[in-house]
Amino acid sequence: DGGITQSPKYLFRKEGQNVTLSCEQNLNHDAMYWYRQDPGQGLRLIYYSQIVNDFQKGDIAEGYSVSREKKESFPLTVTSAQKNPTAFYLCASSTGSTWDTQYFGPGTRLTVL
Amino acid sequence: GENVEQHPSTLSVQEGDSAVIKCTYSDSASNYFPWYKQELGKGPQLIIDIRSNVGEKKDQRIAVTLNKTAKHFSLHITETQPEDSAVYFCAAPNNAGNMLTFGGGTRLMVKP
Repeated sequence: DGGITQSPKYLFRKEGQNVTLSCEQNLNHDAMYWYRQDPGQGLRLIYYSQIVNDFQKGDIAEGYSVSREKKESFPLTVTSAQKNPTAFYLCASSTGSTWDTQYFGPGTRLTVL
Repeated sequence: GENVEQHPSTLSVQEGDSAVIKCTYSDSASNYFPWYKQELGKGPQLIIDIRSNVGEKKDQRIAVTLNKTAKHFSLHITETQPEDSAVYFCAAPNNAGNMLTFGGGTRLMVKP
């Protein structure tokens, strides 16, 4: 089946620890995105990548880092510098063409203990 | 950049009634407007989208209308069913067309 997978579904982290969220797609999409969703709120863009080995900051990139070494993978690291990391994290991908649809993964719920 | 506002934030309807959710956008160059449905604990799923060369698009019980002059677009759900209960998001692209800005979401509750 073609699609986007995120793992793990639930993640718990102690304060001061870095944690990496996985996002993989087999849709042959060039562009990938990371969003953060807080309870009862919309989606805010953290980082996006339009091509391998290149990525740009979104609206709330502070405290996060990404890499894009492979077309199908776009991992997100939540660093200890992120002051309020508890949230629902969503990965998406698209062909990258102008006005193209984004397809979302199932999400990872991160809780800081 | 693009600014998208969505109303209402919550909407409760009786099963069988219609539901309408409205979004406004700021960038007049935008010409692609998707709507997503998000069920509890899941990622958003695209349910319908519209491009600016048309004013309306329908898919069974769902329709989207677009008014480019007024810079707003709306989602219409007819004959609502309990399984329509979810959070709905509208979105609009930036002027380069490679990023989406999302509205704040509408929680739709369909009462049996």
